[in-house]
Amino acid sequence: EAGVAQSPRYKIIEKRQSVAFWCNPISGHATLYWYQQILGQGPKLLIQFQNNGVVDDSQLPKDRFSAERLKGVDSTLKIQPAKLEDSAVYLCASSFEGAAGYTFGSGTRLTVV
Amino acid sequence: AQSVTQLDSHVSVSEGTPVLLRCNYSSSYSPSLFWYVQHPNKGLQLLLKYTSAATLVKGINGFEAEFKKSETSFHLTKPSAHMSDAAEYFCVVIDNTNAGKSTFGDGTTLTVKP
Repeated sequence: EAGVAQSPRYKIIEKRQSVAFWCNPISGHATLYWYQQILGQGPKLLIQFQNNGVVDDSQLPKDRFSAERLKGVDSTLKIQPAKLEDSAVYLCASSFEGAAGYTFGSGTRLTVV
Repeated sequence: AQSVTQLDSHVSVSEGTPVLLRCNYSSSYSPSLFWYVQHPNKGLQLLLKYTSAATLVKGINGFEAEFKKSETSFHLTKPSAHMSDAAEYFCVVIDNTNAGKSTFGDGTTLTVKP
């Protein structure tokens, strides 16, 4: 089966600019996750979707971050405006059900300068 | 609230010697536990998972983990390290009573010396 697709792989932007990341989960996986992984730390959950509904976005900085999952398939994560501390790898993962484990995409490495 | 503590940020072993990566957790009575591996510039790969079946779980590449409820631990082991095992390892707990909310540990970097 095809894996979780993410794009772009790398992005460099200046602070206060906006950026968007895209994720296409594994077909049939109802649950989709966005994580932020800062260098030297474990991934931190930003938002979890079940189909096209939000299950958990308690750690999403909603003043600058937004995410959507139209039609319960693809998802986009947006940052506007970006700050230096947003430099990180943004990982998308999907699962059929949480207890089965997640499949991760390769991530998008964001550098804010 | 659930939490995961990986007790060692760095572990160094010689090739051919045993590996032990330690993980303690705090969660509800029915968590699912996972170990993921991340090689440099690669994505996260599932090594093994515990989901309330057998407490000794076997994963890929010869890794095993034992769920010990009394000690709230889920340590990862391998009898003999290989150079290709050098990577970052993450212990993850999923709360099955809270919409599958996940918490990652901060990771353990495994170095394998020739």
